[in-house]
Amino acid sequence: EAGVAQSPRYKIIEKRQSVAFWCNPISGHATLYWYQQILGQGPKLLIQFQNNGVVDDSQLPKDRFSAERLKGVDSTLKIQPAKLEDSAVYLCAIGGGVPDTQYFGPGTRLTVL
Amino acid sequence: KQEVTQIPAALSVPEGENLVLNCSFTDSAIYNLQWFRQDPGKGLTSLLLIQSSQREQTSGRLNASLDKSSGRSTLYIAASQPGDSATYLCAVHMDSNYQLIWGAGTKLIIKP
Repeated sequence: EAGVAQSPRYKIIEKRQSVAFWCNPISGHATLYWYQQILGQGPKLLIQFQNNGVVDDSQLPKDRFSAERLKGVDSTLKIQPAKLEDSAVYLCAIGGGVPDTQYFGPGTRLTVL
Repeated sequence: KQEVTQIPAALSVPEGENLVLNCSFTDSAIYNLQWFRQDPGKGLTSLLLIQSSQREQTSGRLNASLDKSSGRSTLYIAASQPGDSATYLCAVHMDSNYQLIWGAGTKLIIKP
């Protein structure tokens, strides 16, 4: 958890509303990941950035989800419009760009009513 | 397609017992395997990372083993404590890409 801040920590919205999450790594890391973790499941990779560029977004529902990384540091993930099945914890992680340990933020718990 | 399975989904044991958590994977062409801990309301913390060429890794009371040929890894926790209560997840990196493939986790409860 050390080194990655996420906000907000909790968010409750109604379906069809929009929501945005922020990830703020304390130190610079080349690789940044966004994961979706549904209750009782392991995390699912949504998007992987290498510096400012997208390496893998194959599991990102692009019709409603979007993400960007600013100046190779901070990142935002947006959902527009939200669906009930988007209720999950959204985790941001940073890594060195090689298959090595990833450092996770505390996550944002999203509830869609 | 790689699949990672963790059984059981939940485990409750008295304090002081030694215990083993299991992780199995279907494709042995892994780059490495990691064990993570997840506490409620917090992110994931890496506990141990085992490279594909290694058989085990140890950190304090934790020991993780890897048997690539059989597609299995175990996390051994010695002398369990209530503070060990958490969800433990294993994840594998494949040779072909750097994406982590995750198990669903084992929720561990250590009873005082």
